[in-house]
Amino acid sequence: EAGVAQSPRYKIIEKRQSVAFWCNPISGHATLYWYQQILGQGPKLLIQFQNNGVVDDSQLPKDRFSAERLKGVDSTLKIQPAKLEDSAVYLCASRPGTGGGTDTQYFGPGTRLTVL
Amino acid sequence: SQQGEEDPQALSIQEGENATMNCSYKTSINNLQWYRQNSGRGLVHLILIRSNEREKHSGRLRVTLDTSKKSSSLLITASRAADTASYFCATDRYTGGFKTIFGAGTRLFVKA
Repeated sequence: EAGVAQSPRYKIIEKRQSVAFWCNPISGHATLYWYQQILGQGPKLLIQFQNNGVVDDSQLPKDRFSAERLKGVDSTLKIQPAKLEDSAVYLCASRPGTGGGTDTQYFGPGTRLTVL
Repeated sequence: SQQGEEDPQALSIQEGENATMNCSYKTSINNLQWYRQNSGRGLVHLILIRSNEREKHSGRLRVTLDTSKKSSSLLITASRAADTASYFCATDRYTGGFKTIFGAGTRLFVKA
């Protein structure tokens, strides 16, 4: 089965520019996650979708970050405008169920963002 | 805020030795998972233990869960150089929907 796909793999932008990341989860997976992972730290949940509804976006900086899940499948994460502290790896993951059971998350390779 | 906290932050051992990593969390959970991340790569799921389980094995991995102490441990036996990676615990808890929170991770280095 195909894994979680993310693009681009790398992106370098200047501060105040905009950037968008794309994620294609595993087919049929109900839950999709976006994480931000700063070097040396664990993944920090930005937003969690269940189908095309938002379960949790409490740690998403909504003044600059936005995310949507199109028709409950693909998802995009946008940063506008970017700041230096946004430099990180952005990980997308999907999960067959809605959590709490015995299913687990499958991660994509991530997008490494560098803000200059 | 992070739900889980791992210790040690970093661990260096010789090939063939056992490696033990610990994870503590703050609130009640439905399950706890361990993931591995090789440098610059995505996370790979290792093992999941439910809140009503106390111990689970998978190959060279052994996970324990103590819900009274809100802690878990991951033991890797007979370590190999290929086990060099960062290891993260993650917890699922229900707060109007199941939410997964990761800890900061333990960086394991296995010397050949």
